[in-house]
This record gives sequence, C-alpha cells and structure tokens, in this order.
Amino acid sequence: NAGVMQNPRHLVRRRGQEARLRCSPMKGHSHVYWYRQLPEEGLKFMVYLQKENIIDESGMPKERFSAEFPKEGPSILRIQQVVRGDSAAYFCASSSKQFSGNTIYFGEGSWLTVV
Amino acid sequence: KNEVEQSPQNLTAQEGEFITINCSYSVGISALHWLQQHPGGGIVSLFMLSSGKKKHGRLIATINIQEKHSSLHITASHPRDSAVYICAVNTGTASKLTFGTGTRLQVTL
Repeated sequence: NAGVMQNPRHLVRRRGQEARLRCSPMKGHSHVYWYRQLPEEGLKFMVYLQKENIIDESGMPKERFSAEFPKEGPSILRIQQVVRGDSAAYFCASSSKQFSGNTIYFGEGSWLTVV
Repeated sequence: KNEVEQSPQNLTAQEGEFITINCSYSVGISALHWLQQHPGGGIVSLFMLSSGKKKHGRLIATINIQEKHSSLHITASHPRDSAVYICAVNTGTASKLTFGTGTRLQVTL
C-alpha cells in the first residue's frame, strides 16, 4: 500500500537548466496538490490538479513553472530555466476527493538545489 | 498578518512533559489539519478536525470554531516527538491549504 511517491528526493540543477519533479498519488486518488516550502518559510500552495485538468493554479508563478497530471502516469511539476530562488522543498499531496473533509496524504518531498 | 498563526515558534521540553501548541486563524474554515515534519523529512498528517476533539495515542487535538482556535497536545513527551508541527486550514476554496509557519519542538532527555 504505497503512499504518495515523489521523485527524485534530491535534485541539483545549474541555473538555466530544467527541473522535473514527479508525484505518483496514492492508489485510487485522483486529486493532486503541489506545495512549495522555501528555506526557513512555511508551506505555500502552488497548484491543484485532477486527472488531465488543472483546477486551481493560483499559487503558481506565472513564468517558468507548469504542472500536469496526465491520464496515465505521475503528476509532473516542471520548472524551466531554474534560478537560485527556486531552491526549495516541493511537496505533493493527494486525496480521493477535494480536501475538505478528507485526510491529506503527503509525499516525502523533492528537495531542489539550484547552483 | 498571516491568516494562520502558531505559537510558540520554538519550544524545548524535557522528556515526560505535557506540551501544548496553539493555532489561531482569522478566516472561515471547513477543516483544520495538524501536520508533523521531521528535519529533512516528509510531512505526516496527524489530525483533521472540523469540530470538537480527537485523540491518537499520546496526541490530542482540539478545535473551538467560535474562537477560531485549535490546540495540539502531546502527553508524556519523548525525544522522538522532536519535529516541526504545522497547523493548516481549508478555507472557502477547498482545494487550498493555508499553513502556519510551524512550531519547532525539541524534547530532551
């Protein structure tokens, strides 16, 4: 009974490169959420997706960041042309329905370091 | 002012002590979550509350909707309880969680 699986756990990228972070939700879950935790800061909502749809991306930076959750395969958070300020822990969570009234299941996080 | 405020920010306790972490919020919510994060580690959901009180082992969580306040209690604390405890709320838009900045707990022998 695997939980929310994220990979890679740690990723190092040079400035200007692309970072791809993957999240496989818990079995049976079709709702995926991405959160970012900047160093010494709290978690911030980025994007909420259901299969093949972006439901709420109000927390996503307007440029360089994109997310998808295809019909098959994991959800992917993609950061193009990374900058030092993108260094953070990125957490994925999933649920079987919308959060309200449902328990959250988080992944172990992906730590991105931009050098 | 943050929508979710936690206190204290840092807490040091001796093993066996009773611990309370507080969370106040300023918005209408549909649910409140208590989460635990170990250094460099993932996030574990401890409780989800919409009213009343829940207990799991040595952990107790309470919420007062009228006062917009929740508390997390740890009885008979142990060094393995050392972690960051985070309060988060579901606001009107169910998809989003708004987080407090966390309370860093250190339990010593």
